[in-house]
Amino acid sequence: DIRMTQSPASLSASLGETVNIECLASEDIYSDLAWYQQKPGKSPQHLIYDSNYLQNGVPSRFSGSGSGTQYSLKINSLQSEDVATYFCQQYNNYPLTFGSGTKLEIK
Amino acid sequence: EVQLQQSGPELRRPGSSVKLSCKASGYSITDYLMHWVKHRPEHGLKWIGCIDPEDGETKYAQKFQSKATLTADTSSNTAYMQLSSLTPEDTATYFCARGLPGYVMDAWGQGASVTVSS
Repeated sequence: DIRMTQSPASLSASLGETVNIECLASEDIYSDLAWYQQKPGKSPQHLIYDSNYLQNGVPSRFSGSGSGTQYSLKINSLQSEDVATYFCQQYNNYPLTFGSGTKLEIK
Repeated sequence: EVQLQQSGPELRRPGSSVKLSCKASGYSITDYLMHWVKHRPEHGLKWIGCIDPEDGETKYAQKFQSKATLTADTSSNTAYMQLSSLTPEDTATYFCARGLPGYVMDAWGQGASVTVSS
């Protein structure tokens, strides 16, 4: 199984700040990586697919990058509505696997 | 509009089973895979498996191989997941989500809560 190591586990930042979340795959996943946002009591929603493509309707302050085994999600100009847990997920190989999540809070 | 409507919360005794449903609207389930994902806040998201409703082919994570059974009814555009031999560790929210091979899960159900308790 491909292991997805996500960091940090939690993050506290001020409004307007920029935050980065990292995901390290245990083997090359050839950019087959998505980022999801999950708000409390809601289902996950995908923000980014294929490592760096922004899903329609997602604010441009979200961006993804990376290749091979290293990937990151960047959120510019943090807004209050960005409070959520963020997950990475690889879909290069079965079984599909998720990172452990990053809980983002506002300071 | 694509929607996945899941069945309601379930309370079960240890050792019993439960069958969850996921009714799709706005598209034909035969055009996409249907994934199932387990969520416990302290454990994150775990992929259970997926079914191709077109031919019934299934794939499972090894951990869920003997726990979950995925089926689909194309006539009602509905996917199902049965969980057997329930234990308290099966207490979780279960999501269905559609996807294509080698692609994201691009639409999710609202989740179904399963509580296993004596």
